[in-house]
Amino acid sequence: NAGVMQNPRHLVRRRGQEARLRCSPMKGHSHVYWYRQLPEEGLKFMVYLQKENIIDESGMPKERFSAEFPKEGPSILRIQQVVRGDSAAYFCASSPGTGKGWDEQFFGPGTRLTVL
Amino acid sequence: DQQVKQNSPSLSVQEGRISILNCDYTNSMFDYFLWYKKYPAEGPTFLISISSIKDKNEDGRFTVFLNKSAKHLSLHIVPSQPGDSAVYFCAASARNNFNKFYFGSGTKLNVKP
Repeated sequence: NAGVMQNPRHLVRRRGQEARLRCSPMKGHSHVYWYRQLPEEGLKFMVYLQKENIIDESGMPKERFSAEFPKEGPSILRIQQVVRGDSAAYFCASSPGTGKGWDEQFFGPGTRLTVL
Repeated sequence: DQQVKQNSPSLSVQEGRISILNCDYTNSMFDYFLWYKKYPAEGPTFLISISSIKDKNEDGRFTVFLNKSAKHLSLHIVPSQPGDSAVYFCAASARNNFNKFYFGSGTKLNVKP
């Protein structure tokens, strides 16, 4: 049973380019979460999605960032017109969505984005 | 606004001794607390959790203690092993939004052989 997959593992972009980060949840998981970790800091919640729905995007910057989790395929975190401050590790997590309160979140290995 | 704080960025312990990692929080709505362990170049992995209705939860060498009045929790590892060397993150979620985790900044534990 494969874990949460993220690709690419490393992504280098120049300022102004677009970054697309992909996340495939664990088999049977219908909930996906994205977190960002800046250097020397903890993980910060960005967005929580279920298939085709954004449930909570309270941690997402209002501009340039978007996320989706289509019916088919991986979840995508998209960053338009990247700036140096977007350089960070981006982690995706998934959970089964039991609907019984707290769900254990299983994390992927992360994508390290570097903006030159 | 950092609602979950880990004030010790690093901790060094001798193999076989106890490791105590601390975490403080400010939001009284937090209802569930977790510890995650992270190795370099990997994602965090779940270690142990505790609900606010308890003050202690034990799983093998790992015990989490919760002091709600002090808004403080701690993770005890006994005995510590070199393989425990990793970064440990404390996380919390609120009863009205279980799936939104707030993470501390992490404590890097080094267990010396």
